[in-house]
Order: sequence, then structure tokens, then C-alpha cells
Amino acid sequence: DAGITQSPRYKITETGRQVTLMCHQTWSHSYMFWYRQDLGHGLRLIYYSAAADITDKGEVPDGYVVSRSKTENFPLTLESATRSQTSVYFCASSAVYEQYFGPGTRLTVT
Amino acid sequence: QQQVKQSPQSLIVQKGGISIINCAYENTAFDYFPWYQQFPGKGPALLIAIRPDVSEKKEGRFTISFNKSAKQFSLHIMDSQPGDSATYFCAAANNFGNEKLTFGTGTRLTIIP
Repeated sequence: DAGITQSPRYKITETGRQVTLMCHQTWSHSYMFWYRQDLGHGLRLIYYSAAADITDKGEVPDGYVVSRSKTENFPLTLESATRSQTSVYFCASSAVYEQYFGPGTRLTVT
Repeated sequence: QQQVKQSPQSLIVQKGGISIINCAYENTAFDYFPWYQQFPGKGPALLIAIRPDVSEKKEGRFTISFNKSAKQFSLHIMDSQPGDSATYFCAAANNFGNEKLTFGTGTRLTIIP
């Protein structure tokens, strides 16, 4: 199916564990983004990528790692999860500024 | 550093009324101003967008008003319907070509019968 997908949709993990959130898009968009959404903060950019093998930090990158070996995939890794990383994470891809968002991953760190 | 300030945080409007959400920005390099709509459990989706060469853009019941000198823009929803109940985000992008959007903090709109 065409579009942008995220997996898993829900994840519960413990403090200190590594967790990877997956994002896949079928449009071959050059740009991809990771956001976290928290009440009172709106959508905050974690990392973005202009193309395969090109990534850059956003507003809140600490504690996160990204990679982009293929245009269609943009995984986000929390190297050692903390409770403050409990959030809803959205992946997006864009064409001419219009960003298309995935359905989100609700992550809970206990 | 909040580059796009959005208000109000929440808004309750009666069915058939006009919903108005406001945003202000600081960066004069911004040249693209979209509004996104988000329903519970879903990702945001583009609703309407404007560039600073026009002062108003209308699509159906949704209108963006843009005031370049005041560095403000607003979303007006005419004849508001219960189906419009959602969270609305304003955003802005600059002309550096990296397609990054800076989002406001969101407005939770509730339309009551």
C-alpha cells in the first residue's frame, strides 16, 4: 500500500533499554522527519534527513540516533530509553514543503 | 525557543459559529505558512497553506488571513461543524530549501451542538 507507515504502533519498554521505531514511505520523497508530540509542546522535530545518508539534528535530538541507508526507510533509535522519552512519535516525509505524517507510535518508558 | 506562537490553547465554539485560531512568528525569513489538522489517534494532515505574497486564502469553509507587517496569520473556520473538532497546528518554513517546518503548540478545537 502506498503511503507512510510506522511500527510498532504501541511500545512499552523499560528505562535503559534500546528501542527502535521504524518508518517506511512508498513515495520516494527525499525528505523525512521524526517528531515527538507532547501536551503543551506541540510537535517538536527530533531529526530530519534530506536524502539517503544525509541526516541532521532538529530541536530535541539528545538521546536519539537516526540512520537512513535507503530512501524509503528512516528508523529512530533510543539508545538508552528514559522516562522523559515517553511520548507519541510521528514520522513524516515531504514533497515541496507538504509533509505527510504517519499514524504515530505511542511509546511508554517505565 | 518558540519561533511560532499559537493561541488559544483550547477553543470551544458552538455549531454554526466561526472558529478563529491565531499564530505569530518572529523569523522574517519564513515564507510558507501551513495549517495542519489532527484527529485523535491520527497523524496531522495538511489543511490549507499560504505564501506571503497574498493576504488571504480560502478553501471551502477554511480561510487563512495573513498580515506580513504584523508577522501574524490566522485560521478561520466558518459555519463550524462537530466534525471540525480536532487539534489544529500552525507552522512556518523558511526559504532555505530544507523543508523543515516549525510548528506552533496546537489548539484543541471543540464544536458543541
